[in-house]
Amino acid sequence: DVVMTQSPLSLPVTLGQPASISCWSSQSLVYSDGNTYLSWFQQRPGQSPRRLIYKVSNRDFGVPDRFSGSGSGTDFTLTISRVEAEDVGIYYCMQATHWPPWTFGQGTKVEIK
Amino acid sequence: EVQLVESGGDLIQPGRSLRLSCTGSGFNFGDYGVSWFRQAPGKGLEWLIFIRPKAHGGAVEYAASVRGRFSISRDDSKSTGYLRMNGLQTEDTAVYYCARGHVAVGGAPGIYSFDLWGQGTQVTVSS
Repeated sequence: DVVMTQSPLSLPVTLGQPASISCWSSQSLVYSDGNTYLSWFQQRPGQSPRRLIYKVSNRDFGVPDRFSGSGSGTDFTLTISRVEAEDVGIYYCMQATHWPPWTFGQGTKVEIK
Repeated sequence: EVQLVESGGDLIQPGRSLRLSCTGSGFNFGDYGVSWFRQAPGKGLEWLIFIRPKAHGGAVEYAASVRGRFSISRDDSKSTGYLRMNGLQTEDTAVYYCARGHVAVGGAPGIYSFDLWGQGTQVTVSS
């Protein structure tokens, strides 16, 4: 199984400042079609997960453009350009290249300082 | 509105069985895969089981942790997927989520990601 590792696990941020979350996979997530199937999910307190990003850098409909994804191979990053209060929650990366199983990172808790 | 709604969560004794439902609306349910995930208290997300759309054969995939105990089915005429859980144990206590599995635009035909999730249903296993 592909192991996904996130860092940091806790991220205190100042409103209006940028924030970045890293995610590593135990093997390359490049599929035979050349695409990389790495997604990012946001889980606000008391809510279900919401997909923000798919295929490394594609934002889902309705996701603010302050969220961006980057990376390749085994190393990926989710960046929030200017953190807003509504961004508080836990963020997960998930790989969909080598399934089953689909596997998630441990989650990164974003909170306001 | 495009949404998934889970139901069927309950407080249940160890060893008993339970069936959860996941009903979709606002989209053609049969065109999509259906997956179940769970989140134990204070823990992260765990994938459990997946069923492909019938157009892709309707095959099922299981996580090792639930193979032999959990099963999944779908009734596209009711836009509903089901998770059957047998032999429940205290460690199965969690919020259970269903999610819609879709093939990304420009993505490979056999690669599914999960773009729509339900609100979750609580399953508590306790004597």
